[in-house]
Amino acid sequence: EAGVVQSPRYKIIEKKQPVAFWCNPISGHNTLYWYRQNLGQGPELLIRYENEEAVDDSQLPKDRFSAERLKGVDSTLKIQPAELGDSAVYLCASSPGAGGADYGYTFGSGTRLTVV
Amino acid sequence: AQTVTQSQPEMSVQEAETVTLSCTYDTSESDYYLFWYKQPPSRQMILVIRQEAYKQQNATENRFSVNFQKAAKSFSLKISDSQLGDAAMYFCAYPKGISSGSARQLTFGSGTQLTVLP
Repeated sequence: EAGVVQSPRYKIIEKKQPVAFWCNPISGHNTLYWYRQNLGQGPELLIRYENEEAVDDSQLPKDRFSAERLKGVDSTLKIQPAELGDSAVYLCASSPGAGGADYGYTFGSGTRLTVV
Repeated sequence: AQTVTQSQPEMSVQEAETVTLSCTYDTSESDYYLFWYKQPPSRQMILVIRQEAYKQQNATENRFSVNFQKAAKSFSLKISDSQLGDAAMYFCAYPKGISSGSARQLTFGSGTQLTVLP
């Protein structure tokens, strides 16, 4: 069974440019999470999806960040325009349902974003 | 207030020896779960071990075990017979509700970087 797949692995962009990250969760996992991990810190939740609905986006900086999960499967996280402080690893995770936090998530390998 | 605290930014252990990583957490709940995740240089977060708070018995997975002290809100990870492949960043995690009425999300500590010396 394929795990959570993310692309690209690395991305280097100039500030003020747009960037997008893609995530394909484990088949059948209804709940999808995007986390941001700054260097030397633990991951912090940006947004959680239940199927195609964003049910918790309170931590997402909505002035420049957006996300979508069309058809409740793949998801895209976008930043426009990027700022130097957005340099981080962006992790995607999935779980079978909303109670996934009690059982642990499956994570992808993340996208390392560098904004120069 | 920080929910999950890992007070050891870095730890090292000699190969084949035992090391303990510390974690404390804050909650008012009585029934919950706790996790340790491992993040090697590949960046993928890998679930190491899970503890159910209502179980008094400490969880064990091969060389990995926990010392769960519910009253003290302490959840340490013990790695026995350390191997070079254990070198990674280790995160303690707790499911916390971000906002009132929301489903819980995994909230992570700041991590402990473990080095295994040959």
